[in-house]
Parts: sequence; C-alpha cells; structure tokens
Amino acid sequence: AQSVTQPDIHITVSEGASLELRCNYSYGATPYLFWYVQSPGQGLQLLLKYFSGDTLVQGIKGFEAEFKRSQSSFNLRKPSVHWSDAAEYFCAVGTNSGGGADGLTFGKGTHLIIQP
Amino acid sequence: KAGVTQTPRYLIKTRGQQVTLSCSPISGHRSVSWYQQTPGQGLQFLFEYFSETQRNKGNFPGRFSGRQFSNSRSEMNVSTLELGDSALYLCASRPTTATTGELFFGEGSRLTVL
Repeated sequence: AQSVTQPDIHITVSEGASLELRCNYSYGATPYLFWYVQSPGQGLQLLLKYFSGDTLVQGIKGFEAEFKRSQSSFNLRKPSVHWSDAAEYFCAVGTNSGGGADGLTFGKGTHLIIQP
Repeated sequence: KAGVTQTPRYLIKTRGQQVTLSCSPISGHRSVSWYQQTPGQGLQFLFEYFSETQRNKGNFPGRFSGRQFSNSRSEMNVSTLELGDSALYLCASRPTTATTGELFFGEGSRLTVL
C-alpha cells in the first residue's frame, strides 16, 4: 500500500520569502503525485500534478514541484509567497491498479503561516 | 460551470442516529468520490462511484455506505453514529475514474456527533 509523509506540520514564512514544503511517498511503482491546497472553510484545490515526463512541474498560483525518484520526494516550491498563500497544503499519491481507479492517499498536511 | 455542491454544510447528530449527506457533481462528471477529514487521521478515502456502481472502497466499517443516481448525484450514509464519526466529509468529482483526472472538491459537510 502507498503512503505519504509530510514532515512539517506547521511552517512560518515571511511574505516575499521563498517556500519549500516537503513530501515523501512510499509506493512500489511510478506514482501519480499531486499537491492540493485547502483554505479555511473550503474544499481542496489542485495546485499541480505529476504523472510522467519532465520531473519539474508547474502549477497554478506560481507553484512548482520536483519529482525525485531517488529520494521518493515531491517537494512543493514557490519563489515568493503572498499573504493569500496561507492555507493547508496536502501532498497525495494515486495509483491506477487492477483496471480500476483507486482513491488518493493524502499526507497529513502542512499548515502554512505567512508573517507580514 | 457550477462546482461540486454538498448539502447540508453543517449538521449535528447524536450517537446512534444515522445521517445522509448529498453531493451534486460538476455537470458532465460521472465519478464521485467521498473522503473523511479529521484532525487526527487527516484525509481518508471512503469510496468512489462511477455510473451508479461503487468502483473502490476505503478501509471503513460497513456503517458507511453510499450510492449514486443516474444523474451522477451521490449520497453517503452513516448509520449508528459514533463520536469518532465527527468530521468534515468531502465529496469530489471528475469526468472519469482515471487517477490522472483532477478531483474537484466541494466545500464539505461538517458533521458533529454528540
């Protein structure tokens, strides 16, 4: 079974500073990887996803993530954060085994706080 | 295009009761998934429906059930509620069951069990 670890429960970053959120996954084959963001009282919104090809993927809102197979990681980055980026960020891994779709396995999330 | 709509948004029940939550997917989306979100366990997959058939199920007891109608709307039911069932229940839709497809989430139904 697959699993996802987000080592940082909370991260505080100053507005305008760079950001990196860590994500490590466990899965025997090439995974499908996702980053979702959840603002307070809202559902989740997809930031970006990786299935194959270029290991550096671009997403919405200026986010990017890099898939590193050797490290089983899929870290999320942003060069300059804005106060509106304060939210909960979830990394997720998906599979497509047995001819049918499986549910996504999510990490526990990282709560991002932006300091003025 | 309207997003995923979940009703009710908030509800309070007592132990032993049952609850039904509803989800209307984005128009044209035939797959509906349900997730439970709690502070302790995070987001956990409940089940996914496609064309009125359950395609996959997470590791939850039989008290958790669901169904999907011909118009792709879905309901989930929790019987004999326990305190631990207090959670935000999120519904998500996508056009097909392909994992590569983006999940579009609703805002959730927050259930409190007293």
